[in-house]
Order: sequence, then C-alpha cells, then structure tokens
Amino acid sequence: QLQLQESGPGLVKPSETLSLTCTVSGGSISSSTYYWGWIRQPPGKGLEWIGTIYYSGSTYYNPSLKSRVTMSIDTSKNQFSLKLSSVTAADTAVYSCARWLQSYFDYWGQGTLVTVSS
Amino acid sequence: EIVLTQSPATLSLSPGERATLSCRASQSVSSYLAWYQQKPGQAPRLLMYDASNRATGIPARFSGSGSGTDFTLTISSLEPEDFAVYYCQQRSNWPPCSFGQGTKLEIK
Repeated sequence: QLQLQESGPGLVKPSETLSLTCTVSGGSISSSTYYWGWIRQPPGKGLEWIGTIYYSGSTYYNPSLKSRVTMSIDTSKNQFSLKLSSVTAADTAVYSCARWLQSYFDYWGQGTLVTVSS
Repeated sequence: EIVLTQSPATLSLSPGERATLSCRASQSVSSYLAWYQQKPGQAPRLLMYDASNRATGIPARFSGSGSGTDFTLTISSLEPEDFAVYYCQQRSNWPPCSFGQGTKLEIK
C-alpha cells in the first residue's frame, strides 16, 4: 500500500522560507506513470493546489504562488520537497503531499500543519 | 483560470436520503472532473475521477455524472459515514488544477 508522509517544521517565522519533505513508501517515486504534488488547506478553508513535480524534475506551479515556490525530487531517497519563500500569516495551512495520476490525486499524505508566526 | 463553483455550500439531510451535490466550471473541463470526500482531521479521499468513474473501494451508492461545465455527485442512500465535506477538482487545462470551495454534507 502506497504511503506518503510529510515532515518539516510546524512553525515558521514571517518572511522566512517554509520547507517540507514528503517521503513515499510502498512504491517508487521514479515511476513514469505518476507525478507528485503539494496541496494546502488554510484552517477552515478549501483546498489549493501548490505545484506538481515529475521524477525527471519537471515542475508545474500554481501561477499565484509561482514566484515563491520551489519543488525538488530525490529519487534515491524516494522523497520530494517543497520550499515556499517569504511566508506570511496567509500561508498558515495544512500542507499535504499527494500522488497525481493523469487527472486526479489518488493517494494523499495525512498533512502537516504549518503556522507562520513570530 | 478555471473556477469551480460548488452548490449548495451546506446540505442538511438524514441517513437514508439521497444527496445531490453540484459542481459548475467557469468553462468546459471536458470530463476531467474528480470528487473527493474529506472528514475532519483526515486527508481527502478520492471518490470519483473523470466525472463518472468510481475510485477503488468506493461504494456503489456514490455516482458521478456530467461533462463540460456541469457535474453532479449523487449519493443514493446516505450512510452515517457519508457526512463530510466534498470537493470537486478539475485538470482540463493542467497545469494548473483547481478545486471547488467544497460542500458540507451534514446530518439533519
């Protein structure tokens, strides 16, 4: 069974960079069939797609976040990562990683709450 | 950018009743529409993909329909575990993809 697990600091200061890693187990991140993505959900609000990465390193970002987002992938560790720079309180959210198949996310991590506060 | 609008925002029904949730796209997304269920404190779970295909392990009481701009998720007879928030998601012009704002299905 595929599992995804997010990890990283739960508290980030304003103007700093949020960094998260998603570790994939039970399957290979190097599969050519799948992409890997990040989605966030502010408390009490809906879902927002952040970006998606392919095993080759090709990336696709939400235009509204593109200037602040960097995603990377480490196939040797079966991990992919998210960096979001210059964070503000508006970036406080549960951040989830997920697997993308053609047109939808079929497996999700449990999500991790990241709070932006001084 | 394609905007997905879900209605109603909240739907109050009783177990055993039929639930009909709507998702409307600001422009055609063909059949590239998925539905997710989210319960408090849990990750979203894929229910339907490509408008009308049930994901693995999803009960037959869930069905999806529509194409173009108008889509419907139907739960034929509500079970207690079905009360949750439901989101639609499109990928017609991927990237990007986008989600609707959600419909909360609550117990009446």
